[in-house]
Amino acid sequence: EPEVTQTPSHQVTQMGQEVILRCVPISNHLYFYWYRQILGQKVEFLVSFYNNEISEKSEIFDDQFSVERPDGSNFTLKIRSTKLEDSAMYFCASSEAQGGSGGHFTFGSGTRLTVV
Amino acid sequence: GQNIDQPTEMTATEGAIVQINCTYQTSGFNGLFWYQQHAGEAPTFLSYNVLDGLEEKGRFSSFLSRSKGYSYLLLKELQMKDSASYLCAGISGGYNKLIFGAGTRLAVHP
Repeated sequence: EPEVTQTPSHQVTQMGQEVILRCVPISNHLYFYWYRQILGQKVEFLVSFYNNEISEKSEIFDDQFSVERPDGSNFTLKIRSTKLEDSAMYFCASSEAQGGSGGHFTFGSGTRLTVV
Repeated sequence: GQNIDQPTEMTATEGAIVQINCTYQTSGFNGLFWYQQHAGEAPTFLSYNVLDGLEEKGRFSSFLSRSKGYSYLLLKELQMKDSASYLCAGISGGYNKLIFGAGTRLAVHP
């Protein structure tokens, strides 16, 4: 079964540093997403991306965050200046169609970001 | 608002049936998903309901009542490997955003 792949699986960074989390969505999927899950808490939506632009973002996704699809396969999340509270598991997801059309979301295995 | 409520924890016995309920108060939810999540892993898709009624998929079934803002996930013939968190998630009016509940941690005992 096709997979969403994420690298690295675990990243440790110092507060104030920039990090880039990488994702390769399923090849025929058109919609891409980032979610995060702070340890012990619920999965939270960050941003959705379609046709090379952000289609929706949450209040969490402030100016410190950005997303990019630099080529035909990768989808990246950049955090410019990390804070301790950015420590979380970050999940990339993709879907073939808009979710409300029955296309379910496939999640990657996540990147555990630890800010020290 | 977009609130999704589900019980925090449940326990059940191997071979039994368990029903995990989910209620939601929302404007503009256009479908209800159930995901399974083992500790430290990604959510994996179980089911999707957009219309009222029951969707059956092997040992798993999911039910939706849009007028009541209510869904449940039914797991039959429980196995030890079913011990996991079960996440109820609604898809928002924008069709591109899943709103998750906090998840129900299910422990299956022999």
